[in-house]
Amino acid sequence: EAGVVQSPRYKIIEKKQPVAFWCNPISGHNTLYWYLQNLGQGPELLIRYENEEAVDDSQLPKDRFSAERLKGVDSTLKIQPAELGDSAVYLCASSDKLGDANTGELFFGEGSRLTVL
Amino acid sequence: AQSVTQLDSQVPVFEEAPVELRCNYSSSVSVYLFWYVQYPNQGLQLLLKYLSGSTLVKGINGFEAEFNKSQTSFHLRKPSVHISDTAEYFCAVSDTWDTGFQKLVFGTGTRLLVSP
Repeated sequence: EAGVVQSPRYKIIEKKQPVAFWCNPISGHNTLYWYLQNLGQGPELLIRYENEEAVDDSQLPKDRFSAERLKGVDSTLKIQPAELGDSAVYLCASSDKLGDANTGELFFGEGSRLTVL
Repeated sequence: AQSVTQLDSQVPVFEEAPVELRCNYSSSVSVYLFWYVQYPNQGLQLLLKYLSGSTLVKGINGFEAEFNKSQTSFHLRKPSVHISDTAEYFCAVSDTWDTGFQKLVFGTGTRLLVSP
């Protein structure tokens, strides 16, 4: 079974430029998460999707960040314009709503490391 | 809101020695606890979890953790570590069981450094 796939793995951009990250969750997983991981910190939730609906985006800085999950499968996280402080790893995770309600397990991708110069 | 404290940012240990990584959480009526491991340049992987029942939880790769309600702790232990255990370890907590523990709160992580 394929895991959570993220791209690109690494991205270097100049400040004020736009950037987008893509995530393909595990097949059949209804719930998709975007987490932000700053250097030396634990992951922090940015947004959670149930199918195509964003059910928790309270931590997403909406002035420059946006996300979408069309058709309830793949998801894209966008930053426009990027700032120096956005340099971090952006992690995507997915879970099966019914199955993982018992296991509590999130399945993470390898992350997209963003460097803003 | 729940919070997690991992007091040790880095734990150096020699190969085959025992190790304990500490985790304390803020108190709640009900709590669900997790340990995730992150190897270099990889995503997080679940090591073990406490949902209910026995307070001693066994996970993958020989790790185990003990839930201590009175001390609000969930320390991770391994009796004999290997070089391959070198990684970042994150403790996480959720106080909700609505639809799959979505509200996971992670600690800042502990880097385990195993040397020969």
